Amino acid sequence: ETGVTQTPRHLVMGMTNKKSLKCEQHLGHNAMYWYKQSAKKPLELMFVYSLEERVENNSVPSRFSPECPNSSHLFLHLHTLQPEDSALYLCASSQGGTGLNEQFFGPGTRLTVL
Amino acid sequence: DQQVKQNSPSLSVQEGRISILNCDYTNSMFDYFLWYKKYPAEGPTFLISISSIKDKNEDGRFTVFLNKSAKHLSLHIVPSQPGDSAVYFCAASSSARQLTFGSGTQLTVLP
Repeated sequence: ETGVTQTPRHLVMGMTNKKSLKCEQHLGHNAMYWYKQSAKKPLELMFVYSLEERVENNSVPSRFSPECPNSSHLFLHLHTLQPEDSALYLCASSQGGTGLNEQFFGPGTRLTVL
Repeated sequence: DQQVKQNSPSLSVQEGRISILNCDYTNSMFDYFLWYKKYPAEGPTFLISISSIKDKNEDGRFTVFLNKSAKHLSLHIVPSQPGDSAVYFCAASSSARQLTFGSGTQLTVLP
């Protein structure tokens, strides 16, 4: 595997389910990100981890819970989501955790909440 | 309120002609700007960037222009090719803080 991978690619879940999104980067980077992309809207930054420490959390509801066990892996744990949470969830990584560092994106997980 | 705006959701251009994608921003503290390209079922990929100390940056067929007084940047692709058909996102950051993205413009290059 190369670059940034995300699993699953598609996920359909009910509002009472608990699921997790997984991201893995094979680039040796030290920062990882979760973004949300809703239709016709800008990419919204959700969380940033730099050196495995969360450095930014953009007022994301607590029903989204990130986990970064090491610099190569990032999870997004989901529970009691709402239909408006349906979106494309993109993971990215970079060497350095600032806006000056080129971010490499995974293909995303298309999430549908019923 | 969106700090980075791409007011054209879509653009169609004939192959071989110039494509011009526009982006406006409201935050005068932004000092670094990037363009990303996204194909369906793939994540965005970095295309080109420009620092606020410059007004132009060129990389092959791609040129980004920055007009700080107008808070406007544009991406020129010339000549346009069918493989350039994708969604293009403008992004900006200030003082190395995190990126703020626009909503994207779907470019279609017609053969």
